[in-house]
Amino acid sequence: SQTIHQWPATLVQPVGSPLSLECTVEGTSNPNLYWYRQAAGRGLQLLFYSVGIGQISSEVPQNLSASRPQDRQFILSSKKLLLSDSGFYLCAWSVDGYGYTFGSGTRLTVV
Amino acid sequence: AQRVTQPEKLLSVFKGAPVELKCNYSYSGSPELFWYVQYSRQRLQLLLRHISRESIKGFTADLNKGETSFHLKKPFAQEEDSAMYYCALSGLGMEYGNKLVFGAGTILRVKS
Repeated sequence: SQTIHQWPATLVQPVGSPLSLECTVEGTSNPNLYWYRQAAGRGLQLLFYSVGIGQISSEVPQNLSASRPQDRQFILSSKKLLLSDSGFYLCAWSVDGYGYTFGSGTRLTVV
Repeated sequence: AQRVTQPEKLLSVFKGAPVELKCNYSYSGSPELFWYVQYSRQRLQLLLRHISRESIKGFTADLNKGETSFHLKKPFAQEEDSAMYYCALSGLGMEYGNKLVFGAGTILRVKS
């Protein structure tokens, strides 16, 4: 069956520290992968998407970056976190484009 | 540009009352519209999509291209319908990763 794993579930990091959030997909090949940030009152904001290994498209300029080192692995990173990076981050995958499957999310608090 | 507007942050209704969650979109092409739902302590999941013309958990949504709307409706609300609902639009194709643009979401609270 197709599953998506996202970790960690919660993370508290000091300002200026690095970040690495990982997302992996099982049971499918060559999925489209997405990173979203969910903010109260602002809905879901698309940060990055990838249509293949090594292919990353950025939707908004920010302090974050993404990488896809393997077909079913998507990583969200930062070299130095800002307070404004706090939020709830969601990974998702899609194969046919007509329905996303979301991970359980990571609650990031930058202090 | 693609945009999805959900004008209500919170919709509170009594059990058994009709429900209509509003969604309007802005897109010059032919969009694909979706509704996603997030129940308490659960993952965000697909509820329905307009191309399927289906009814899920009693909910339906009709795409009205003239009014650029995709409102979610249910004739009789149930307490278990309480959740956050997101309307989403996909207009660009595979070369753009079939990106979804989401609205801000509406919290539905069904009171007993």
